[in-house]
Amino acid sequence: IAGITQAPTSQILAAGRRMTLRCTQDMRHNAMYWYRQDLGLGLRLIHYSNTAGTTGKGEVPDGYSVSRANTDDFPLTLASAVPSQTSVYFCASSPSFLFSPLHFGNGTRLTVT
Amino acid sequence: RKEVEQDPGPFNVPEGATVAFNCTYSNSASQSFFWYRQDCRKEPKLLMSVYSSGNEDGRFTAQLNRASQYISLLIRDSKLSDSATYLCVVIYSGAGSYQLTFGKGTKLSVIP
Repeated sequence: IAGITQAPTSQILAAGRRMTLRCTQDMRHNAMYWYRQDLGLGLRLIHYSNTAGTTGKGEVPDGYSVSRANTDDFPLTLASAVPSQTSVYFCASSPSFLFSPLHFGNGTRLTVT
Repeated sequence: RKEVEQDPGPFNVPEGATVAFNCTYSNSASQSFFWYRQDCRKEPKLLMSVYSSGNEDGRFTAQLNRASQYISLLIRDSKLSDSATYLCVVIYSGAGSYQLTFGKGTKLSVIP
């Protein structure tokens, strides 16, 4: 079934540890995004990629890094997790970077203790 | 003024009622608009695009008012299954800048 797969579904992580959230899509979408969603703050863009090989910073990029080695994969890395990074993380993709709606993965619920 | 604003609600309506949500945006040059639905602890899912002439999909009607800079979503004959949070999305692109902004959502509860 075509779509976006995120892993893990949930994770409890000790502060200071490194963590990579995985995101894979099989729709051949050019653009991919990482959002975090927190109560009262809505969805906030962390990083995006408008095509394989390029990435850009969103609204809240600090403490996160991404790579886009190919069209399908867009991992998000927390180099040294902090409790404020406790959130629900959604990966999304869209056919093009402009104007097309986003399709979301199921999300990763991350708790940093 | 915030870029994209929605009334957070909650809107509590009885089954069968008609309910409408608005979403205001500050950038008058915004070009694309969408409504998403998000169920509790789930990912947002595209509900419908919003076209300049307005568009309808079953019980759902979306409209764009450029003069007043808002989009609206009308739900007729509300069902229990319509209970969710509704997010608007506004996209702007121009002059080397690109911005896709989500509203914080309006929560709808349809009551038996």
